[in-house]
Amino acid sequence: QQQVKQSPQSLIVQKGGISIINCAYENTAFDYFPWYQQFPGKGPALLIAIRPDVSEKKEGRFTISFNKSAKQFSLHIMDSQPGDSATYFCAATGNSGGGADGLTFGKGTHLIIQP
Amino acid sequence: DSGVTQTPKHLITATGQRVTLRCSPRSGDLSVYWYQQSLDQGLQFLIQYYNGEERAKGNILERFSAQQFPDLHSELNLSSLELGDSALYFCASSSGGSSYNEQFFGPGTRLTVL
Repeated sequence: QQQVKQSPQSLIVQKGGISIINCAYENTAFDYFPWYQQFPGKGPALLIAIRPDVSEKKEGRFTISFNKSAKQFSLHIMDSQPGDSATYFCAATGNSGGGADGLTFGKGTHLIIQP
Repeated sequence: DSGVTQTPKHLITATGQRVTLRCSPRSGDLSVYWYQQSLDQGLQFLIQYYNGEERAKGNILERFSAQQFPDLHSELNLSSLELGDSALYFCASSSGGSSYNEQFFGPGTRLTVL
């Protein structure tokens, strides 16, 4: 059962354009939604995260939009640069049964920014 | 560099064998998480330890086990290995015991089962 669905699988954007990656979740217990960035040969690194009490969070060129009723959230990368070329993972977690849960990841989006 | 170290970087072994992967968390971090990354399953959470105790369990097979030692380093033991266990295994650490805390990932151990 895939609890976090991510799309698209791959994305090519021109330099300076907007990259948009979408995720949808099923588990209503999820209440923390981080995005991770992974470069080849490296481990994932936290990019930006959001809680469901806000609909948008912006950090520099990166913005998360969150729609609680639709159970969807998305990452927008403004003014995309070749250095943004990487694999992006959305994730979700929440406390169920009183304990902490690990992160549930989407399958990832391979982003290529063309110069 | 995240400050999380994993050894070995690469491991090649045969089906039926047993291997041990090692992780040293960032200085001061008490939690260690283990994840498996494969092409078909993506990144999957296996297990979390916090200050030596098991805190959360994910999709970890019974053939796999982990522990966290008093010096906070952790080991993931994989036994009766199958071809499908070939994957990248990541360790992550965080300061607190909750998955709301930022997790810092190591560079991973690539396991190949032949």
